[in-house]
Amino acid sequence: SQQGEEDPQALSIQEGENATMNCSYKTSINNLQWYRQNSGRGLVHLILIRSNEREKHSGRLRVTLDTSKKSSSLLITASRAADTASYFCATSYTGNQFYFGTGTSLTVIP
Amino acid sequence: EAGVTQFPSHSVIEKGQTVTLRCDPISGHDNLYWYRRVMGKEIKFLLHFVKESKQDESGMPNNRFLAERTGGTYSTLKVQPAELEDSGVYFCASSQRGSEQFFGPGTRLTVL
Repeated sequence: SQQGEEDPQALSIQEGENATMNCSYKTSINNLQWYRQNSGRGLVHLILIRSNEREKHSGRLRVTLDTSKKSSSLLITASRAADTASYFCATSYTGNQFYFGTGTSLTVIP
Repeated sequence: EAGVTQFPSHSVIEKGQTVTLRCDPISGHDNLYWYRRVMGKEIKFLLHFVKESKQDESGMPNNRFLAERTGGTYSTLKVQPAELEDSGVYFCASSQRGSEQFFGPGTRLTVL
């Protein structure tokens, strides 16, 4: 399967703590994206990192990409209750079709 | 700017019935994608339109699924006849060439 796989499947932390989620994939990629899905709502694009990039930041989000290990991590700093959601990584080989993992369910306890 | 919209938000039908899902992409986005998430599993690609043409339909599960995008604007995904295993959330996404995909809220399909 070409899909990404997120780790852990579920994560529960206290508000203010940092949350780290990992994604592993199996073949060479063009880019990798992270998405968030709040319960009952659509997927929201968080950040895109291209295969020639190693790290990107967006607000409280930090994404790293290690193409030698075929893995990526999403770090959410100073978490808030509103960050409670499912987080998915999606890998692209052609720039069009994306392969998603099963997601990490994050719960931030107020 | 309006985002990707999908209709209906939730559909409950009986096995053997037909359901048609609709997706309106962001205006000006030539690329339109359908994905499906079956409960507890990963989100899977179904197909990709570039304007009105099917660019890649390798993810379509079987011939009970028919996607169209007449005129290159909105798209429909018809399931006929629906089976129990078709239950899940169907997402539509659109993009400009080479950019990130913007997803709609999804249609939750329940087949009883």
